[in-house]
Amino acid sequence: AQTVTQSQPEMSVQEAETVTLSCTYDTSESNYYLFWYKQPPSRQMILVIRQEAYKQQNATENRFSVNFQKAAKSFSLKISDSQLGDTAMYFCAFMKPTGANSKLTFGKGITLSVRP
Amino acid sequence: EPEVTQTPSHQVTQMGQEVILRCVPISNHLYFYWYRQILGQKVEFLVSFYNNEISEKSEIFDDQFSVERPDGSNFTLKIRSTKLEDSAMYFCASLGATSYNEQFFGPGTRLTVL
Repeated sequence: AQTVTQSQPEMSVQEAETVTLSCTYDTSESNYYLFWYKQPPSRQMILVIRQEAYKQQNATENRFSVNFQKAAKSFSLKISDSQLGDTAMYFCAFMKPTGANSKLTFGKGITLSVRP
Repeated sequence: EPEVTQTPSHQVTQMGQEVILRCVPISNHLYFYWYRQILGQKVEFLVSFYNNEISEKSEIFDDQFSVERPDGSNFTLKIRSTKLEDSAMYFCASLGATSYNEQFFGPGTRLTVL
């Protein structure tokens, strides 16, 4: 079974600064996908970024990038130029490739507050 | 852009009552999921559904829960006899064969059991 660990319950960052959210996972699978989801106060689940395990290159999406270390089973999210709208809960998640058993396994989440 | 919809947005029920939560997944998607999030906690997998049958379920998904895709568009979660601890946000998600492994989430149904 897969496990996802987010050990920091909350973080705070000044607007325009950079912040890194940590995530580790455990799996015996060789092919899988990792995700960061954002959950604002509306509680909608919004995909921020995804990483395919077979790709060595770290994914980037505008101000969001990841540091994927497959051997260490680490998947951190870096948010550059933090904005007030980034205030939300962030969940790291693991998924096996698309198929009948491709459920998402989430970490406990981290509450990020962006200070003006 | 296609989206997953869920109704109702908020459901209040008495303990012991049956509730049905409804979801309309994205039309060409093949895999469907229900997740639960108790307030302030992580999102937990309940069940996945493919080819008109359950493909995987978690320990939470006991005999009180059932899922159905009655008409090829709706995907429902039924809780037969609700308990106080069933109070949570319930998310439906769907996944297509060509959606690059992204599960699309609905806005959720907040279930309150009194």
